[in-house]
Amino acid sequence: AQKITQTQPGMFVQEKEAVTLDCTYDTSDQSYGLFWYKQPSSGEMIFLIYQGSYDEQNATEGRYSLNFQKARKSANLVISASQLGDSAMYFCAMREGYRAKYGNKLVFGAGTILRVKS
Amino acid sequence: DTAVSQTPKYLVTQMGNDKSIKCEQNLGHDTMYWYKQDSKKFLKIMFSYNNKELIINETVPNRFSPKSPDKAHLNLHINSLELGDSAVYFCASSQELHNEQFFGPGTRLTVL
Repeated sequence: AQKITQTQPGMFVQEKEAVTLDCTYDTSDQSYGLFWYKQPSSGEMIFLIYQGSYDEQNATEGRYSLNFQKARKSANLVISASQLGDSAMYFCAMREGYRAKYGNKLVFGAGTILRVKS
Repeated sequence: DTAVSQTPKYLVTQMGNDKSIKCEQNLGHDTMYWYKQDSKKFLKIMFSYNNKELIINETVPNRFSPKSPDKAHLNLHINSLELGDSAVYFCASSQELHNEQFFGPGTRLTVL
């Protein structure tokens, strides 16, 4: 089974509007972490936001927020007030379990390409 | 003041050759990783080192050998390159008590 599922291969959003990128995950561990990374066309991987499985509040970082619904095993990324520079590939990733169990590795989803229209 | 750097950025080589990719981080992190991103953009971990000790070794052909001379460096050596090794290879680092992994700019390897 896929550990991380991103069902939207591509998304369009109008500039200045909000957009939600979906991510569902599969784990039997109680302790895990969820991440979102941005990969622009230039190729680098940029860390955006992190949510721990025990965090009660949804994570926020500037225009990025993570809509964490533990019971549904979803960790959607919400980008508010989209900008042209937000056009990129977005990856959801999970770190399962404690560090000693899996060595802190990240398992990535297939990614969602976001295009912001002017 | 690049945080995680990789050299070279591009590497074009013939099948059967041996090549190395170097990675250095100046963040003081204790853990470093190698990830492979294939032509469909799928990212998968290959190796992880913590304080020069190998802690993750995914199902990777033994033609790939990581080497960590110190905790700021993690190099990747690939023997007998094959066409399927063509990909972008990312180095990353993190600090044990923190969560995010910081990625290098990637090395695009093309095997002809």
